[in-house]
Amino acid sequence: QQQVKQSPQSLIVQKGGISIINCAYENTAFDYFPWYQQFPGKGPALLIAIRPDVSEKKEGRFTISFNKSAKQFSLHIMDSQPGDSATYFCAASPGQKTSGSRLTFGEGTQLTVNP
Amino acid sequence: DGGITQSPKYLFRKEGQNVTLSCEQNLNHDAMYWYRQDPGQGLRLIYYSQIVNDFQKGDIAEGYSVSREKKESFPLTVTSAQKNPTAFYLCASSIRREYNEQFFGPGTRLTVL
Repeated sequence: QQQVKQSPQSLIVQKGGISIINCAYENTAFDYFPWYQQFPGKGPALLIAIRPDVSEKKEGRFTISFNKSAKQFSLHIMDSQPGDSATYFCAASPGQKTSGSRLTFGEGTQLTVNP
Repeated sequence: DGGITQSPKYLFRKEGQNVTLSCEQNLNHDAMYWYRQDPGQGLRLIYYSQIVNDFQKGDIAEGYSVSREKKESFPLTVTSAQKNPTAFYLCASSIRREYNEQFFGPGTRLTVL
């Protein structure tokens, strides 16, 4: 019940294309869903996050879509650029209301954007 | 500059030796975390601490130990009991409130020879 399943494991898109990464969860206590971006040899950095009271959140070229009934959420990267090439992790947390702020991460998606 | 520092960046140890990884933050965050990252497996939580002198086991605590004597410091010891210690270790911190962002350090790559 604590798992977050992420797909695909790897993704190759052309410059200017749309990158889509999907995550699914089982634990209904999760109520905070961040996405992290990680470059090789670096620590992850928060990209964008959503709470289940909204179905979509957009920041620049990055959009999270959230489907509470299906327990799924996805990251869309519009107009993908070579500089977006990185590993992306989805995560989920029950926030502080239940078991503290620990995050459960998906397995990661390695995105390559070809020029 | 505020942030999280981890040292060393690369660490080599011989089998059977304990080794301690350093994590320091000057963000005045209450909570700190240790994760292990292996290729294709995402980040797995080893230990976390929400307040000084208190910490909880994460999903893969066996073979690891931590201490939290100061708010800004959360060192991780990888003991000889950890069967597969070679990995990338990440420390994170956050303000202790709902929906809080975790900030990550640059990581320490540990290799057991």
